[in-house]
Amino acid sequence: DAGVIQSPRHEVTEMGQEVTLRCKPISGHDYLFWYRQTMMRGLELLIYFNNNVPIDDSGMPEDRFSAKMPNASFSTLKIQPSEPRDSAVYFCASRAGRRAQPQHFGDGTRLSIL
Amino acid sequence: DQQVKQNSPSLSVQEGRISILNCDYTNSMFDYFLWYKKYPAEGPTFLISISSIKDKNEDGRFTVFLNKSAKHLSLHIVPSQPGDSAVYFCAAKAFNSGNTPLVFGKGTRLSVIA
Repeated sequence: DAGVIQSPRHEVTEMGQEVTLRCKPISGHDYLFWYRQTMMRGLELLIYFNNNVPIDDSGMPEDRFSAKMPNASFSTLKIQPSEPRDSAVYFCASRAGRRAQPQHFGDGTRLSIL
Repeated sequence: DQQVKQNSPSLSVQEGRISILNCDYTNSMFDYFLWYKKYPAEGPTFLISISSIKDKNEDGRFTVFLNKSAKHLSLHIVPSQPGDSAVYFCAAKAFNSGNTPLVFGKGTRLSVIA
C-alpha cells in the first residue's frame, strides 16, 4: 500500500522566494494534516482538512503561509515570501475518518531558507 | 504552554533490558493517547494507542500504561532491541470534546546499546 507521499524531500531556496510543498494522502483517508517540526517547538499542527475543507488553520504562523486541498488526493502548503525562520521539516499526515484511527505520516520535506 | 510533556529528551538502555518512556499531560479532556516512533529522515510511525477507558494496552514488546489521576502515561518496551533506537513521541486528543486534533510532545530519543 502506498503511504502518504510528500514532495520534494529536500528544498533549499533563498529568502523571499515562493516555496510550494506537496502532499498526496492515502487513498480513502478523509483527513489531512500539515505539521512543522523544529528543535525548539517540536511537532506543531499548522492546518488540517476534512473532506478537502480546511477545518482549523489556527496553527498557520502568518499570512505568508497558505494551504489548499483542491481534491481528495492532493494538497499544497505554500510559503510566500519565505524567510530563514521557516526552515524546518514539514510533515503531511492523513487518516481515515473512523473514530480512533491513527494518523499516517509522510517522510517530510526538509526546507532550508538561506 | 505545553499540554503534552515528555520531560526526558533522551534515554539510553542496554539491549535486552526494559525501556520506559514517560509522558505527562495537562488537559483533563484528553481521552485518547498514542505513541509514535520516528527514525531519522522518515515520518513518525504509529506504534500503539490507548483509550481513557483502559489503563493498559499491550502489543507484543510494547505496553502503554495510563494513569488518569496522575495525568501520566508511559510506554514500556521489553526486551529492548537496537532497532528500537529512535525518537518516540507521545500524542493526545480529546474525542469526546469536539474531536480536537492531536497534540504532540517534543519527543524522547531512545538509544538501545548492544
